[in-house]
Amino acid sequence: DTEVTQTPKHLVMGMTNKKSLKCEQHMGHRAMYWYKQKAKKPPELMFVYSYEKLSINESVPSRFSPECPNSSLLNLHLHALQPEDSALYLCASSLPGRTTTYFGPGTRLLVL
Amino acid sequence: GQQVMQIPQYQHVQEGEDFTTYCNSSTTLSNIQWYKQRPGGHPVFLIQLVKSGEVKKQKRLTFQFGEAKKNSSLHITATQTTDVGTYFCPAGSNYQLIWGAGTKLIIKP
Repeated sequence: DTEVTQTPKHLVMGMTNKKSLKCEQHMGHRAMYWYKQKAKKPPELMFVYSYEKLSINESVPSRFSPECPNSSLLNLHLHALQPEDSALYLCASSLPGRTTTYFGPGTRLLVL
Repeated sequence: GQQVMQIPQYQHVQEGEDFTTYCNSSTTLSNIQWYKQRPGGHPVFLIQLVKSGEVKKQKRLTFQFGEAKKNSSLHITATQTTDVGTYFCPAGSNYQLIWGAGTKLIIKP
């Protein structure tokens, strides 16, 4: 199984809403990532979890809050987002210490 | 910091023509990877290059890593409509991938 799954596929939310993005993988990967991708741009790293611990936070605003409940799951909690946060949010995973990365299909987020 | 420059940004080809995209770095890379992202899709890992001068082939795709490990190329022979998408060549560094802007392959109608 080389699949990373993400839910929901699409999400529309208002600036006062609270929502969560979910990601799951069963490849035994102990490094998991959140990326943000705007149209016509490369993916931009947001967070890295290694062995369920947050190891990298790329100066992401606190309105994005990641959580790694266990080695297979990764969540991204969203609160008080801005319209400029509208983007494709990609979850990814890899073996620890390796950068070969497997991406999920993403959640297309629209903030109104 | 480490940067990866990728050219061209866009390439329009007739179906059946060849396509090449290039990646360059000012610093020596430990490895370079290639990903393809179809329109509306997500990046999909194609290959990783580690050794100086390495050449790898996947059917019509040929990947090269420069002797100095500062540049890489992807060549597609006889493009098909299924090749449409954006090709990225991020460099691997610790847990992070350093991404260039990508090259978008467009097949002319």
